[in-house]
Amino acid sequence: GAGVSQSPSNKVTEKGKDVELRCDPISGHTALYWYRQSLGQGLEFLIYFQGNSAPDKSGLPSDRFSAERTGGSVSTLTIQRTQQEDSAVYLCASSSSGGYNSEFFGPGTRLTVL
Amino acid sequence: AQTVTQSQPEMSVQEAETVTLSCTYDTSESDYYLFWYKQPPSRQMILVIRQEAYKQQNATENRFSVNFQKAAKSFSLKISDSQLGDAAMYFCAYRSYYITQGGSEKLVFGKGMKLTVNP
Repeated sequence: GAGVSQSPSNKVTEKGKDVELRCDPISGHTALYWYRQSLGQGLEFLIYFQGNSAPDKSGLPSDRFSAERTGGSVSTLTIQRTQQEDSAVYLCASSSSGGYNSEFFGPGTRLTVL
Repeated sequence: AQTVTQSQPEMSVQEAETVTLSCTYDTSESDYYLFWYKQPPSRQMILVIRQEAYKQQNATENRFSVNFQKAAKSFSLKISDSQLGDAAMYFCAYRSYYITQGGSEKLVFGKGMKLTVNP
C-alpha cells in the first residue's frame, strides 16, 4: 500500500482480556517499530524488527506484551491480560533501515481498557 | 541513555507570524540524528524536518527551519508564516548514529508541544 496501515483503528476491551493489534508496513521497508503513546506523553519505544535479525524487545513494559513479524512484513502486537494502564495509542512505523531515513508512521490503534 | 526535553507544553501563534519551538537533548554521543515530527488530531505522525549532527548547516524545509546548536545540545524548530494547518502536536526526536550490538535504531521522543494557530 501507499502508507503504513494499522487495524483496528479503535479497540475497547475489558480488563483481563487479550488483544491483538495489526500493522502493515510500507512494502519493501525492512525496519518496523512499535511505539506506545499514553495520554499527554511522548512516544515510548516498545519493539523493533529489522529484516531477519533478532528483534530488539528492550522497550516492552512487561511479559504480557509480545510481538511478531511474519514473512518480514505484517506485524502483530499482542497484549495479554490487559490492564487499565495499557490504555494508550499504539503506533507502528516502518522505514528503509533507520539512520537518516525517517520512519513512516501509521495512524495508530487507540486501545481503551475498561 | 539519551533523553529529549521539550519544556514548553503549549504555545500559540497568530496566523502568518513566526514561532519557535524549543528542544534540548542529552547524549554522550558525538554523531546522531535529530527529527521534528508533527502529529495533527488524526494521530498520523508526519516528519517535518531532520538534521544530521555532523552537519553544521541548519536544515530547512520550506517554511520550517531548525537552529541546531550542538554544543548546547539544542534543536529548535522555527515555523515561518504560520498557517492554520500547522496546528498540531510537535515532537522532537533523537536517533543514535551508531547502533550498539543488540540495540536498534529507535527514536527517542520528547513529550511534545501543542501548537495553536489563531486566525
